[in-house]
Amino acid sequence: GAVVSQHPSRVICKSGTSVKIECRSLDFQATTMFWYRQFPKQSLMLMATSNEGSKATYEQGVEKDKFLINHASLTLSTLTVTSAHPEDSSFYICSATGTSGASYEQYFGPGTRLTVT
Amino acid sequence: AQSVTQLGSHVSVSEGALVLLRCNYSSSVPPYLFWYVQYPNQGLQLLLKYTSAATLVKGINGFEAEFKKSETSFHLTKPSAHMSDAAEYFCAVSDRGGAQKLVFGQGTRLTINP
Repeated sequence: GAVVSQHPSRVICKSGTSVKIECRSLDFQATTMFWYRQFPKQSLMLMATSNEGSKATYEQGVEKDKFLINHASLTLSTLTVTSAHPEDSSFYICSATGTSGASYEQYFGPGTRLTVT
Repeated sequence: AQSVTQLGSHVSVSEGALVLLRCNYSSSVPPYLFWYVQYPNQGLQLLLKYTSAATLVKGINGFEAEFKKSETSFHLTKPSAHMSDAAEYFCAVSDRGGAQKLVFGQGTRLTINP
């Protein structure tokens, strides 16, 4: 139980275009989802926290107009990187908490590697 | 604010040897503490967690960690390393309420020598 999927697993896009990454909880209802980014050989940095039906809360320094987060249902959150640039190339990982396990347990997706050319 | 420091960005041990990965935390409130493992190009898998029950916590794959409040530490150990343990390990802390945001350490890359 408590499986989180991400789609796509890899994406390459041209500079200036937008790309959407999906995060789904497959067997539980995700009341809260978190989005992280991870640069090569570095740790995970929290970008934003989203609660179903509410606006996302962004961490300091994260541009909310560039990284659009939508948590429209209890099983789906999306991250859209708008007008992507090469410096946005990174590994994006989502996690979720909800009706599976304790409230403090986050279940992580497999990640999406974004390459902007 | 909470923070985590992992001592040693790279640890190398021989197969069958003791694994010790160090983690120190800073938290103004009683913390929850976690160890995660990440294999290349994959997400994170929870190894174990401390949530104020027993201070010695046993996890998956033979790993365990001990919460020491006086030392603000939560070091991860495994008595005998396997080749399959080679991965990146992250220690993380969260508070006990609110949004349960995780703050991660810098990570430790574990290499196992045959």
